[in-house]
Amino acid sequence: QVQLQESGPGLVKPSQTLSLTCTVSGGSISSGTYYWSWIRQPAGKGLEWIGRIYTSGSTNYNPSLKSRVTISVDTSKNQVSLKLSSVTAADTAVYYCARDIGYQLSSYYHYCMDVWGQGTTVTVSS
Amino acid sequence: DIQMTQSPSSLSASVGDRVTITCRASQSISSYLNWYQQKPGKAPKLLIYAASSLQSGVPSRFSGSGSGTDFTLTISSLQPEDFATYYCQQSYITPWTFGQGTKVDVK
Repeated sequence: QVQLQESGPGLVKPSQTLSLTCTVSGGSISSGTYYWSWIRQPAGKGLEWIGRIYTSGSTNYNPSLKSRVTISVDTSKNQVSLKLSSVTAADTAVYYCARDIGYQLSSYYHYCMDVWGQGTTVTVSS
Repeated sequence: DIQMTQSPSSLSASVGDRVTITCRASQSISSYLNWYQQKPGKAPKLLIYAASSLQSGVPSRFSGSGSGTDFTLTISSLQPEDFATYYCQQSYITPWTFGQGTKVDVK
């Protein structure tokens, strides 16, 4: 059974770079039709998709964050990483990684996030 | 970006009630619509994908319907463990976007 675990600093200073890692266990990060997504959720608010990466390195980013986001994959470590630069208080949130799986239905792939990490809280403050 | 709008934003219900949550997309997304359940302090859990396909392990009291721009999540008989916040999410085109959430609480 695949499990995801986010890790990284819980406190980041304004203008610095937020760096998080998602470690995948119970299966290979390279197997299947999977992307690996990052999502965040400010306290008491809704979900915002940050971006995703395929194991080939192909990425999709949210345009609202694209200039500051880098998502990378290390297949040898079974890890996906997120870097968000020039952070402000508005980037304070719980950050989740999730497996973005494609189910083939009628010749098309329907993507959904079927396995999630428990989330890690990141606070941006001096 | 495709905007997703859920209604209502919150509702109060009793155990055994039939509950319906609506999600509307700002443009047609065919059946590229997923539903998640989130409990306080926990990660979202996938319930329904491709508008109407029940994720493995999810109770059959949950069902989804719709296509194009209008979608519905129905809980046929609300159970105590179903009090939570529900989100729809489109997977038609990136960036994936979520509805604002519907909180289901105790009447």
